Amino acid sequence: DQQVKQNSPSLSVQEGRISILNCDYTNSMFDYFLWYKKYPAEGPTFLISISSIKDKNEDGRFTVFLNKSAKHLSLHIVPSQPGDSAVYFCAAWSNTGKLIFGQGTTLQVKP
Amino acid sequence: DAGVIQSPRHEVTEMGQEVTLRCKPISGHDYLFWYRQTMMRGLELLIYFNNNVPIDDSGMPEDRFSAKMPNASFSTLKIQPSEPRDSAVYFCASSFGQGRGYTFGSGTRLTVV
Repeated sequence: DQQVKQNSPSLSVQEGRISILNCDYTNSMFDYFLWYKKYPAEGPTFLISISSIKDKNEDGRFTVFLNKSAKHLSLHIVPSQPGDSAVYFCAAWSNTGKLIFGQGTTLQVKP
Repeated sequence: DAGVIQSPRHEVTEMGQEVTLRCKPISGHDYLFWYRQTMMRGLELLIYFNNNVPIDDSGMPEDRFSAKMPNASFSTLKIQPSEPRDSAVYFCASSFGQGRGYTFGSGTRLTVV
């Protein structure tokens, strides 16, 4: 059973535009959410996170929004750059001490 | 620090053979995790250790999979016998404390033919 879901396997945007990556979760006990970025032939690297007590966290071009009532979070990248092309994983911290990841979304930013 | 080091980077083996994947966590990190990446399920947690002790192995697919951590600087994930459906990228990650962010290795791409 997939507790963290990224329903869009891929996304393509033009350089300079906004990229919006979405993530849904099922477990209301999740209290911390993270986004990881992965380039080919490399391991995932931490990008940005948000606590369940907040609804927004911003770090430069990256902003994560959390809607607890909808059990939904999103990652906004503005403006998008070709170097942002990668696989993005949403993850949630469970009260059992596990970090649970989604399936990933492949972002392509076209020059 | 060189980060989390995994070996080999690529492994091609025949069905039925034993496969051993290796991981060296970051020095001082007390948690170690093994994940498997597949298209359908993304990153699945297989097992994790705290201070070399296995804490949760509920993600290990079946008895063919086993993992050990004989000391703080080394862990192995073994598949015996291997099957084509085991083909995936296997990642090791470590962290200090039960913190929020993990440091991942570069992964081992396993192909079972």
